[in-house]
Amino acid sequence: QSALTQPASVSGSPGQSIAISCTGTSSDVGSYNLVSWYQQYPGKAPKLMIFEVSKRPSGVSNRFSGSKSGNTAFLTISGLQAEDEADYYCCSYASSKSWLFGGGTKLTVL
Amino acid sequence: QVQLVESGGGVVQPGGSLRLSCAASSRYGMHWVRQAPGKGLEWVAFIRSDGSDKWYAESVKGRFTVSRDDSKNTLYLQMNSLRVEDTAVYYCAKDYGSGSYGLDPWGQGTLVTVSS
Repeated sequence: QSALTQPASVSGSPGQSIAISCTGTSSDVGSYNLVSWYQQYPGKAPKLMIFEVSKRPSGVSNRFSGSKSGNTAFLTISGLQAEDEADYYCCSYASSKSWLFGGGTKLTVL
Repeated sequence: QVQLVESGGGVVQPGGSLRLSCAASSRYGMHWVRQAPGKGLEWVAFIRSDGSDKWYAESVKGRFTVSRDDSKNTLYLQMNSLRVEDTAVYYCAKDYGSGSYGLDPWGQGTLVTVSS
């Protein structure tokens, strides 16, 4: 199966809101509310930011939110801060008993 | 908070084998995920908390085997017939639980380099 499709990069100014898209198919994102999002700083392990499309783990800022429409999921970050600059990956469970990651999006805070 | 520590990475020739370990608490579903240098994340394998199900990415099916020894609180990834394209940092990650199918937390990763 092919990886989920994410934009290679997005950018925003401090205080602004940005959204990162994650497009899959009817066999993964479209079929299951099991999309998760991960934040990764250079040289570090990924960290879970959103699970089950829109739920936040304890300790994750409420500036991070998730949603889904059809085969596309979205991660929205509001009130951008310099510390949000990182790579972000979406992930979905797929009908082939597998997990698919997106190619990753580099967020730049201008 | 569970802490995961991977080990066993190193340099191996194409066609060779390597076994990775992940020191972890038992009773959880566990994943292996890899990241090639400068590239994105790729899911590799999953094993249920009781070891009853093992699922693999097509790219490693038939070459990699995931297993666990709960008496040692350790997860393993046996990698055979290694290819240059298997070069990556390999992370173990815990199933977040409650049917979420999320992965958290993650270990710090161990680097596998396949090169002649």
